[in-house]
Amino acid sequence: DGGITQSPKYLFRKEGQNVTLSCEQNLNHDAMYWYRQDPGQGLRLIYYSQIVNDFQKGDIAEGYSVSREKKESFPLTVTSAQKNPTAFYLCASRFLTGGSTGANVLTFGAGSRLTVL
Amino acid sequence: SQQGEEDPQALSIQEGENATMNCSYKTSINNLQWYRQNSGRGLVHLILIRSNEREKHSGRLRVTLDTSKKSSSLLITASRAADTASYFCATHDNNAGNMLTFGGGTRLMVKP
Repeated sequence: DGGITQSPKYLFRKEGQNVTLSCEQNLNHDAMYWYRQDPGQGLRLIYYSQIVNDFQKGDIAEGYSVSREKKESFPLTVTSAQKNPTAFYLCASRFLTGGSTGANVLTFGAGSRLTVL
Repeated sequence: SQQGEEDPQALSIQEGENATMNCSYKTSINNLQWYRQNSGRGLVHLILIRSNEREKHSGRLRVTLDTSKKSSSLLITASRAADTASYFCATHDNNAGNMLTFGGGTRLMVKP
């Protein structure tokens, strides 16, 4: 059953703690993305990676870090430097092969909801 | 930065009615996509329309694209209570590499 798995679904963090959100895909997709969604809002791009061992900052990268050591995995760490981390985090992936419809479409995980206590 | 802006932000209709959502964007695009999000869940791709296409259909969905006005619309015909969700447009910008930029979404409620 192919797809993207995010874990945990719910996570609570005390102030000053780092937490890591997991994202694993078995779709053989090239690119992976992390988005943040605040209540009633759209998606804002945090980080993305198009190839193993390479990643780029999105619009709101401050206070976050990522790694891409394997094609299947793109974990996101929310550091203590992120002052307002309470949000819904979405991981997505897609092919990068040019020209085909499938290459442009994102597949999303079910999301992880982070709450700071 | 958000390229697409959906209108209206919220829409409430009765079952059986049609729902129309609009999306405006600012730059030239390769394609425009619509996604659906049920409350507390991930997004699901609905339909993609390329910049050289003007209209596309998929079941009860109809999407139009007007590149001269930099706008798109999503029409859901004969709506059902199960269509209740948020709907987002996303643009694949010619100058933004391989990133999609999402709008703020339209929250649709279909009353039974």
